[in-house]
Order: sequence, then structure tokens, then C-alpha cells
Amino acid sequence: EVQLVESGGGLVQPGGSLRLSCAASGFTFSNYAMHWVRQAPGKGLEYVSAITSNSDNTYYANSVKGRFTVSRDNSRNTLYLQMGRLRAEDMAVYYCAREDGRTYGYAYAFWGQGTLVTVSS
Amino acid sequence: QTVVTQEPSFSVSPGGTVTLTCGLSSGSVSTRYYPSWYQQTPGQTPRTLIYNTDTRSSGVPDRFSGSILGNKAALTITGAQADDESDYYCVLFMGGGTWVFGGGTKLTVL
Repeated sequence: EVQLVESGGGLVQPGGSLRLSCAASGFTFSNYAMHWVRQAPGKGLEYVSAITSNSDNTYYANSVKGRFTVSRDNSRNTLYLQMGRLRAEDMAVYYCAREDGRTYGYAYAFWGQGTLVTVSS
Repeated sequence: QTVVTQEPSFSVSPGGTVTLTCGLSSGSVSTRYYPSWYQQTPGQTPRTLIYNTDTRSSGVPDRFSGSILGNKAALTITGAQADDESDYYCVLFMGGGTWVFGGGTKLTVL
């Protein structure tokens, strides 16, 4: 069974940093591209970032480019999101998600439960 | 910046049929955007309904269907049930490793 478990959320001051983790199990992590998606309180889903299976390529939404860095450790089956220069508008539940891997363009076949990031002074 | 558009809200009667759409602020949605649809109830993780335009995810009832209607992707629910009352999101593949979600449609069944 595919499992994705996010951690690392919490309260951070504006301008601060935080690193999220997503522990994967139940599949061969190194074979799949992974994504981060967020959802601000009461708002819709927003694509944040993606990384290819071997970390060759990383991608970001314009809203986080230059402030967030996605990475992965295939030996630890873990996805990361390093967030810096955090703003109030970054406050959200952050989900990690796994691509289907069989169907091109199907990015969000599996989702974690999410971790809440609160940005406030 | 490309914006993916969805109806903010929609209402359907129990047993009725509703079609939610997913468009682009500029241009037409086609299968090359690999549209997918997700259902989310408050406090829950999104659930995949449809991917690759019209493929139902495992376990999704066949009263949910996806298609391209005109210049938009569409999610049609036939025989709406009370537990279909949820938020529905589409997402489009923009290429270059990026996807864009629509703003979501809040569906009310009454």
C-alpha cells in the first residue's frame, strides 16, 4: 500500500525558514516523480513544486520560485521541501503527492495527509 | 500567467445531472493538457476521480465521467447523490514540469 507521510510543519515567523519532509513507503520511491501541493485555509489547491525520480529536474510555481527548494533522498525514501523567506500567504496545508508513473500527465495519483505550516508573528 | 477557470459554485438536485467545467483564461483545453479531476470534502485529502481527460480512477462509480466539451474539460455527474456534495478541482498539465489547479467548484446537492 502506498503511504506518504508529511512532517515538519509548524509555526514560523514571517521571513523564517522551515523544512518539510515526506516519508514514502509501499512502492519503489526512486522510480517516481514527486510533487508538493498546498492549500491555504479555506482556499483551493495550488501546485507548489515537482521533482523527477532521479532529481535531474526540479520545477516550481512562480509564487515560490527562488524561495523554496525541493529535493529528495532516494536512499531514505524521503521527499523534502526547504522553504525560506516565508510569507503570510505561504500559510497552508502542504501535501506531498506521487505521480501515477504509468500514465503521462497524471501527477497526483496518491496523496499524503498533509502538514500545516502557519506563518505568523 | 495562465489561469485555470472553474465555476465557483454549482447546485444540483438529488438524482440530477451536473457538468462542471475547467477552462483556460487564454486558449482551449484539449487532451494534451491531460486534465484530471479531484473531489475533496472539508478536512479530507483530495480523491482522484478522473485522469487523462476521461479515465476513471479505481473505485470511482461510473456516474462520474470526464470529457472535453467545446474548449473546456468537463466532469459530469449523473444521478447526483447527497454525498457528492464536495469541492471539485481540475488540474491541467502545462508542460515544463508544471501543473495548474483550477480554483475549484463547490457543489451543493439539494
